[in-house]
Amino acid sequence: GAVVSQHPSWVICKSGTSVKIECRSLDFQATTMFWYRQFPKQSLMLMATSNEGSKATYEQGVEKDKFLINHASLTLSTLTVTSAHPEDSSFYICSAEGGGTESYEQYFGPGTRLTVT
Amino acid sequence: GNSVTQMEGPVTLSEEAFLTINCTYTATGYPSLFWYVQYPGEGLQLLLKATKADDKGSNKGFEATYRKETTSFHLEKGSVQVSDSAVYFCALRGSTLGRLYFGRGTQLTVWP
Repeated sequence: GAVVSQHPSWVICKSGTSVKIECRSLDFQATTMFWYRQFPKQSLMLMATSNEGSKATYEQGVEKDKFLINHASLTLSTLTVTSAHPEDSSFYICSAEGGGTESYEQYFGPGTRLTVT
Repeated sequence: GNSVTQMEGPVTLSEEAFLTINCTYTATGYPSLFWYVQYPGEGLQLLLKATKADDKGSNKGFEATYRKETTSFHLEKGSVQVSDSAVYFCALRGSTLGRLYFGRGTQLTVWP
């Protein structure tokens, strides 16, 4: 099946700094990528949808200036958490769909655990 | 709008017990339905899916049938194993390609 990777798998940063998370589709071209946030013991909350070469579409309540998403190529999307604060600590998961994948299926990355101290 | 309601956990079972995790949905159009599994510290993996009414998805001994009349997609397994311990998410996708709508997840713990 199609593989999606995320890097880093975990990161600790200080309050006020920015951190970038990468999401890559390894064996297919991802026309659309999705970024989710998961709080402990809770469901996934969709943050934004990004299409290659265009601006991301953010869900209501998600600060676009704080969570910068760039989908610069068909295999890479990045999420940058700017001026991170402890309340941004969470598990961030990306998923991807696109050419070469079975229809109706999104492939998920393994997630990135962010801890802001 | 689209939404998924999943039975609250946690669910604790002994090995070889029968498992049911209830999932109902609200959707416009004709959604596709999914069950995802998340093992500790990992991302989500697709467990099974059904794309139209009366379809049965199955994988690794798990089954779920798309019931349009009851708007349900309950997950079942006849005999669970310790290795099935994980969080299970029910999800739907609308009639067009795009985002998934997830239930809250059900934590399953299986004891030997």
